Amino acid sequence: EAQVTQNPRYLITVTGKKLTVTCSQNMNHEYMSWYRQDPGLGLRQIYYSMNVEVTDKGDVPEGYKVSRKEKRNFPLILESPSPNQTSLYFCASRGGTETDTQYFGPGTRLTVL
Amino acid sequence: AQSVTQLGSHVSVSEGALVLLRCNYSSSVPPYLFWYVQYPNQGLQLLLKYTSAATLVKGINGFEAEFKKSETSFHLTKPSAHMSDAAEYFCAVIDTGGFKTIFGAGTRLFVKA
Repeated sequence: EAQVTQNPRYLITVTGKKLTVTCSQNMNHEYMSWYRQDPGLGLRQIYYSMNVEVTDKGDVPEGYKVSRKEKRNFPLILESPSPNQTSLYFCASRGGTETDTQYFGPGTRLTVL
Repeated sequence: AQSVTQLGSHVSVSEGALVLLRCNYSSSVPPYLFWYVQYPNQGLQLLLKYTSAATLVKGINGFEAEFKKSETSFHLTKPSAHMSDAAEYFCAVIDTGGFKTIFGAGTRLFVKA
């Protein structure tokens, strides 16, 4: 089954404790992306990756890091989480063309105390 | 910078009534436009997309949208609402370079019996 998986689905942590949210896709997609969803703001793009070892900033990259060492994986790293990073996070992937359908993971709900 | 505006954070309709969700975009070039649906506790799912072919686009679950360049609009409609249509709907545009996705703030659709 074609899918994007994220782990963990729920996470409660404390300020400053480094964490990683994993994302994996099994569709051999070139493009992957991370978004955060906040009430009243819709989804905002954090980082995206056009292919292995190629990443770039979205609209809200501050406080986040990503890496793309393998085509199927695109982890999101919070080196020193802060309460304003409490949000719902989505990973997504699509083929190499901008009109390709973007497939979303189920989301990770992060709470930073 | 491109942007997407969804008029109405909440829309309520009766079962069987017309659904109309509004989306306006700002773009200096013909855009690629998308509508996504998000059911509770799930990721986003593509409803339909405009890729500069036909201006009237048909999607899944009986939804359709019409691209109107003169009005910079891409409103989503469904002739007859069903209880299962209750969800949050997001309009989105791909930026000129094709790598960033800009989402509207979302419209939550309520369907009354």
